Amino acid sequence: DTGVSQNPRHKITKRGQNVTFRCDPISEHNRLYWYRQTLGQGPEFLTYFQNEAQLEKSRLLSDRFSAERPKGSFSTLEIQRTEQGDSAMYLCASSLGPLTGELFFGEGSRLTVL
Amino acid sequence: GIQVEQSPPDLILQEGANSTLRCNFSDSVNNLQWFHQNPWGQLINLFYIPSGTKQNGRLSATTVATERYSLLYISSSQTTDSGVYFCAVRDFGNEKLTFGTGTRLTIIP
Repeated sequence: DTGVSQNPRHKITKRGQNVTFRCDPISEHNRLYWYRQTLGQGPEFLTYFQNEAQLEKSRLLSDRFSAERPKGSFSTLEIQRTEQGDSAMYLCASSLGPLTGELFFGEGSRLTVL
Repeated sequence: GIQVEQSPPDLILQEGANSTLRCNFSDSVNNLQWFHQNPWGQLINLFYIPSGTKQNGRLSATTVATERYSLLYISSSQTTDSGVYFCAVRDFGNEKLTFGTGTRLTIIP
């Protein structure tokens, strides 16, 4: 039984570089969510997918951010031209759907932009 | 959007003490979850409790949906209970969970 898996766990990059994070949800979970958490704050919603369709995006998701879930399984979150303000923990979660809507989170990917 | 407030923001207790954490929310919800964030940042599921009462070992939770609050009880605290506890809710017609700002619990040996 595997939970939600995220990688890399840690990423240090220089300002202006692109980074990509991957999330593998729990098998058969059709909903996948991305959240961002900065120091001392609760996680904030970024976007979510039902299968391969991206159904909602937060205003926090600027044009430099893009998320995909091409085959309805794993998802990627790419940040282009990183800025120091992008430094945060990026959390992925999955759920079976609205009728059993409990979300399960991965271990997170911590991004540090120098 | 829905507002979620947690109290107290910080709590320091001696090992063996009991604690109560509170979560207030501003609208009706169809999902409420309690999480414990471990020192490495992972959110560990404690309870999925949109209404009613549940117990799991030393932890229990109660949600009174009509009054828009939930309580998390920790009995006989251990040092491993230290960390940040988050309440998160989903209101009707919304797919995302909205998190509170958390309660930081520190258990002193």
